[in-house]
This record gives sequence, C-alpha cells and structure tokens, in this order.
Amino acid sequence: NAGVTQTPKFQVLKTGQSMTLQCAQDMNHEYMSWYRQDPGMGLRLIHYSVGAGITDQGEVPNGYNVSRSTTEDFPLRLLSAAPSQTSVYFCASSRRQGVQAKNIQYFGAGTRLSVL
Amino acid sequence: GENVEQHPSTLSVQEGDSAVIKCTYSDSASNYFPWYKQELGKRPQLIIDIRSNVGEKKDQRIAVTLNKTAKHFSLHITETQPEDSAVYFCAADPGNNAGNMLTFGGGTRLMVKP
Repeated sequence: NAGVTQTPKFQVLKTGQSMTLQCAQDMNHEYMSWYRQDPGMGLRLIHYSVGAGITDQGEVPNGYNVSRSTTEDFPLRLLSAAPSQTSVYFCASSRRQGVQAKNIQYFGAGTRLSVL
Repeated sequence: GENVEQHPSTLSVQEGDSAVIKCTYSDSASNYFPWYKQELGKRPQLIIDIRSNVGEKKDQRIAVTLNKTAKHFSLHITETQPEDSAVYFCAADPGNNAGNMLTFGGGTRLMVKP
C-alpha cells in the first residue's frame, strides 16, 4: 500500500513550457485535490475532485487544468508555465464514510517546481 | 465559506519549554479540527485532531483544546524537543462541503533550540 504517489519529485521548466504533474493513490479514495505551497506560506487549493469524471476549481485555479478519468489518478497540467508558478505542489486524497467520519487528508511527497 | 486564522506565524522556544499555537475559525458548522505537522522537505501529516463535541484531547506531549463558543482551538506541545521543529497547520472541516475539503490555516514555523 503506497498511499499517495507523486511524480516527478523535482522539475525545472522554462517560461511557456507545459507539463503534467502526476498523482496516484491506491487507497480507493473518492476525493482528491491539488495544493500549492509557496515559501513561508500555507497550502492553497488549486483544484479538487469528488470522484472519477468530476472536478472543480479551488482557490487558485488559473493556469492549471485537471482531469479524473479513474479513481486512482488525478494529474495536474500546467498549460504555459510562468515564474509565478514556482512552488511545491502537493496532491492529497481522502475518504468520507458518513457525516461523523474524520476527514483525514493523505498527502503525497510533493513536487518541487521551478519555472525560469 | 470557512476562514481559518493561525497565530503566530513563527515561534521559537527553548528545548523543554512548552509551545502553544492558536487558530480561529469562522463557520460555526465546522465540526472537525485536525492539526498537521510538516517537517522540512516532507509532506504534511496528521498528528492530532478533535471533534466539536469534545473540549480537549491529549496524546502524550501534545494536546488540542477547542472552544466552540469562541470559535477557537489550540495546539499545546509540552517538553518540546528538537524533533518538534516543523511547520504546523491547523484546519477546519466545514462539514457538509461537497469536495470533502479542509480549510487550512497559514501555518506556524516552530523552532526548538537545543
């Protein structure tokens, strides 16, 4: 049981390049999300998904696309990278098993992205 | 929507002293309040949590208290050790939100000096 797996761990892009950050979970969680963490700052929600085929925007969605074709995978696409997107990106998954269930978020190890 | 404020943003203590981090939330419907610890270069991980029907919860050297009336909750770490140095995030679950999201505070960088 690997939990939440993110690839790559590090990436350097030039301005204008596109790329996809991969996220996969093997816990059969319905909910998945992407956060970015800038230096000295908290976690800001980019996009999230409540199940296969369903995605929605978070707090800072501009410049990013997501899709959820399977329960396991939730890739994040940078359409045209900008220096402002230099950050650490975390994917997380969770399950809700009833109103009284705990909402525990399981995070991946993160992808450190630099855009030059 | 829910808004979570966290203070202080940085906290430096001497080894063996206690550390307290405070959070306030805005949505009275929130019913679950977890705390995550993020060591340098690592992922955030849950360390303790509390439900809205409980006022205090303790796990060895860490404890969390909740005041529903005032809408604030706090993390208490006693007998701090260098390995407690990390960024701590509080969060609130607004309950009936379709995305199963937590709303996170801005984080507190705790430094424990040997």
